[in-house]
Amino acid sequence: GAGVSQSPSNKVTEKGKDVELRCDPISGHTALYWYRQSLGQGLEFLIYFQGNSAPDKSGLPSDRFSAERTGGSVSTLTIQRTQQEDSAVYLCASSFSGGGLGEQFFGPGTRLTVL
Amino acid sequence: GENVEQHPSTLSVQEGDSAVIKCTYSDSASNYFPWYKQELGKRPQLIIDIRSNVGEKKDQRIAVTLNKTAKHFSLHITETQPEDSAVYFCAASRPTGNQFYFGTGTSLTVIP
Repeated sequence: GAGVSQSPSNKVTEKGKDVELRCDPISGHTALYWYRQSLGQGLEFLIYFQGNSAPDKSGLPSDRFSAERTGGSVSTLTIQRTQQEDSAVYLCASSFSGGGLGEQFFGPGTRLTVL
Repeated sequence: GENVEQHPSTLSVQEGDSAVIKCTYSDSASNYFPWYKQELGKRPQLIIDIRSNVGEKKDQRIAVTLNKTAKHFSLHITETQPEDSAVYFCAASRPTGNQFYFGTGTSLTVIP
């Protein structure tokens, strides 16, 4: 079946502008994660959604970052007033169940460049 | 919270040799340890995982070992091939936690 998809694949924006990144998880997956991967670095956890529960936002680096998940499916990560240090690849992953119970399937990522 | 450390950060081996990547974790409640492979420009993909009720798991040329007492786990790749060249990430999670804690990655280069 279809895997996790993300859009856009690339986004170039000017410093100070807002951006929205989209993630379509695998159908039926209740858990959805957002990560940030800077060049040559590991995966930095940002936020986690599980079903209808309140999201775990503990990884968001600042209040300029927010995310929503509508109807338990599609998720949008919004970065307001982008800064150059926000430049990274933003990866979304979904799993059938959360925590340590299910394999995470990653999307192809959105490469964000802030000029 | 959990802290996962991964070593080495880079590793070069000759084709046919073995490669070993090691990770340590801090939270004794962690019980699931996946390994992901990320080829250049591609998404991470799960290659093998282990749960804390076993000490070793093998899948063809790939094996993972877990030492719960010492809180470390390792990825072993035997008979390496050029297509094994990639960045490998370890991770740890708890059964009731929300997060997967990832290591910082190991860039493996297999020299033909």
